Amino acid sequence: SQKIEQNSEALNIQEGKTATLTCNYTNYSPAYLQWYRQDPGRGPVFLLLIRENEKEKRKERLKVTFDTTLKQSLFHITASQPADSATYLCALPTSGSARQLTFGSGTQLTVLP
Amino acid sequence: DSGVTQTPKHLITATGQRVTLRCSPRSGDLSVYWYQQSLDQGLQFLIQYYNGEERAKGNILERFSAQQFPDLHSELNLSSLELGDSALYFCASSVGVGGGNQPQHFGDGTRLSIL
Repeated sequence: SQKIEQNSEALNIQEGKTATLTCNYTNYSPAYLQWYRQDPGRGPVFLLLIRENEKEKRKERLKVTFDTTLKQSLFHITASQPADSATYLCALPTSGSARQLTFGSGTQLTVLP
Repeated sequence: DSGVTQTPKHLITATGQRVTLRCSPRSGDLSVYWYQQSLDQGLQFLIQYYNGEERAKGNILERFSAQQFPDLHSELNLSSLELGDSALYFCASSVGVGGGNQPQHFGDGTRLSIL
């Protein structure tokens, strides 16, 4: 069955450094992959969508890569700031049902001042 | 602000009771999704409606039901509540029928506590 794994539950980095979060998936070949940000007690907020034929996508300080051979997406935040501290979720279309999204368990990022 | 409105923000009730959660989607969005998020389960898809019709079903319990009304708002009904139903319930909306190529816009959820 489809499985999504996000790297270590928590990631701490120093302000100004680049944060790199990993999303690995198995038993599936999605045509799209999405990243969301979730703050405590709030709903997830959509950040970026990348298609299988787009190796890389950027939005301001955010960069997402999508390697369909490795079945992996990397999410980078450059020049990180304490305000970037949140949980980041990757999401893929659910195997067998293109209408649904399956979310990973998330990586909690803390940017230390 | 995502444009998705959920009410109430908090709900405290007892086991065996029934509650209704309400969601107004973002203006122009025809799809509504319901999710449950608990500490040990992550974000779990429950059900999707598109323009009033049920389109997809996830791991939704038989005690739970939902509907989408002609004005596109949606309600999630939870009955015979159990302690394990305590969670954050999110509603999300999207423009079309859904799929990995469409962002979903989430409300801030209803926190349900069962005592």
